[in-house]
Amino acid sequence: GNSVTQMEGPVTLSEEAFLTINCTYTATGYPSLFWYVQYPGEGLQLLLKATKADDKGSNKGFEATYRKETTSFHLEKGSVQVSDSAVYFCALSPYNQGGKLIFGQGTELSVKP
Amino acid sequence: EAGVAQSPRYKIIEKRQSVAFWCNPISGHATLYWYQQILGQGPKLLIQFQNNGVVDDSQLPKDRFSAERLKGVDSTLKIQPAKLEDSAVYLCASTEGLAGGFSPTDTQYFGPGTRLTVL
Repeated sequence: GNSVTQMEGPVTLSEEAFLTINCTYTATGYPSLFWYVQYPGEGLQLLLKATKADDKGSNKGFEATYRKETTSFHLEKGSVQVSDSAVYFCALSPYNQGGKLIFGQGTELSVKP
Repeated sequence: EAGVAQSPRYKIIEKRQSVAFWCNPISGHATLYWYQQILGQGPKLLIQFQNNGVVDDSQLPKDRFSAERLKGVDSTLKIQPAKLEDSAVYLCASTEGLAGGFSPTDTQYFGPGTRLTVL
């Protein structure tokens, strides 16, 4: 079946630290991969996406590369800010299944000044 | 452009009572999703509509949950009777989902959610 596994949180970093949030997936066929973010008190919003192997998604300084050989889509940022504090969700959309999203459990990030 | 609207934002009910949630997607979006997000977990799809037809309701507990999307615009999700384990945030999302097929790369736009507490 299709599933997504994320590293457990919470993750606490100091401002300007390097961030990695690990995400691995299990899927049949060729899914599309996404990172969504949920800031405190707000709804889920798309952060970045990649639709095929070796694609790199990027936005707001965050990057993730679709690695089919390791079935991974790790989220990285070179220098986090306090404003990046949020819950991050890795998700996949299975090929030819109507566009639905299957989410990981979420990783809470807290950035301290 | 207005986003996905949901109401109410919060609801507290006793077990065995019924409750309904409302969602108005972004104008022109043909595809609408309802997700359930239990505390500490990622959202889980309950049902997907394309216009006013059901595409996927395989994970909807049909003995107590129902949903409709009359006229292919706004949608309601109902729980009757509610159980303690239904306590969660119910999220509505929409995509353009143009006629002729779904694109897994379409961005899903999420509403703020309805937080349900069942006592």
